[in-house]
Amino acid sequence: LAKTTQPISMDSYEGQEVNITCSHNNIATNDYITWYQQFPSQGPRFIIQGYKTKVTNEVASLFIPADRKSSTLSLPRVSLSDTAVYYCLVDGRQGGKLIFGQGTELSVKP
Amino acid sequence: GAVVSQHPSWVICKSGTSVKIECRSLDFQATTMFWYRQFPKQSLMLMATSNEGSKATYEQGVEKDKFLINHASLTLSTLTVTSAHPEDSSFYICSARISGGTETQYFGPGTRLLVL
Repeated sequence: LAKTTQPISMDSYEGQEVNITCSHNNIATNDYITWYQQFPSQGPRFIIQGYKTKVTNEVASLFIPADRKSSTLSLPRVSLSDTAVYYCLVDGRQGGKLIFGQGTELSVKP
Repeated sequence: GAVVSQHPSWVICKSGTSVKIECRSLDFQATTMFWYRQFPKQSLMLMATSNEGSKATYEQGVEKDKFLINHASLTLSTLTVTSAHPEDSSFYICSARISGGTETQYFGPGTRLLVL
């Protein structure tokens, strides 16, 4: 299972764009990259998933370079309610165990 | 996204008793569900993989006789913490993977267990 590495914490201010980069040097050919958001005392919430290039939804964008050894979650114009822990995971299509790393604790300040 | 529920959302029990936690996929079928445990200020730790109609697969270091998992239908998995002790107090979270679809995992809201 690919191991992921993320910054432990990040600080931002309301209205700014936040980019969280995740390294996954040992990603396998059939692995997808998935990002989750977790608030205290809640289960993780699915944000976005991608395989290569760029994926965008109503919440975030995910940038994946050609070598797929890293990915960047981009949150546009964050608000206080985006303060949470963000997890990057790689996930094979078969078997599908998700092994969580430490995550990135994002703090958005007014 | 798909909805996963857990019941109860929190439970307090005496040491030595058993506690059952239910995990349901509400609007999809899940042949595979996963159980995690999370201690304060820590990441989620995978405990076991629950497969419908077969025995669960436990991660290394997780006692299968203490954490009983049953996945009797495509929408329900249960985790029973047997003879609970204070060190079992934790936040238990399940996830379910959509069968035959994108195989994205969706997580339940979690169950807070406090063993006195």
